[in-house]
Amino acid sequence: DADVTQTPRNRITKTGKRIMLECSQTKGHDRMYWYRQDPGLGLRLIYYSFDVKDINKGEISDGYSVSRQAQAKFSLSLESAIPNQTALYFCATSDQNRPDTQYFGPGTRLTVL
Amino acid sequence: SQKIEQNSEALNIQEGKTATLTCNYTNYSPAYLQWYRQDPGRGPVFLLLIRENEKEKRKERLKVTFDTTLKQSLFHITASQPADSATYLCALGVSGGYQKVTFGIGTKLQVIP
Repeated sequence: DADVTQTPRNRITKTGKRIMLECSQTKGHDRMYWYRQDPGLGLRLIYYSFDVKDINKGEISDGYSVSRQAQAKFSLSLESAIPNQTALYFCATSDQNRPDTQYFGPGTRLTVL
Repeated sequence: SQKIEQNSEALNIQEGKTATLTCNYTNYSPAYLQWYRQDPGRGPVFLLLIRENEKEKRKERLKVTFDTTLKQSLFHITASQPADSATYLCALGVSGGYQKVTFGIGTKLQVIP
């Protein structure tokens, strides 16, 4: 969905490096989410935010942090990347009036060597 | 423990036939169930949502059924086309302050011309 953009689309990094993935949306949604997708495991929630001042941990937040710089921007950081954080990362948004429907970005493929 | 099962085997079907995908769940009391489509290298795209008090939902060539007794949803694509080839994700939603959504691993559908 072009309304939700992610940068970079692909990234290769080394163990121990700090890396930031960025997400921007033009949908005007208040809620934003970060997921990772691994083969055979499906999408798993890392963090979610209901507005700029409301950030919550998801089911697999260890090793990650987030920043909601504005309503339209939500960044995911890996403080010290490790190989098992190699995955496909997706940002998603939803509207508070229709929170059950999420709109996903195109994803970032991250490889940690 | 809570579990969502989608057939991890790919489903191959002839063009023009009806494709039926299955989503089973255990230890959930979902308020709603969703189906998403995911193409390679892309983020999931929302298709349909069905609530716990609904038996069936339709949208163009798509039909979803939801049986809370059997703990199962069936997703049908009638008159399937090669362009329908993709991975289809089932997701369960639970009501609450945060409407937690849990995704299945998806079933890959291949429509053969």
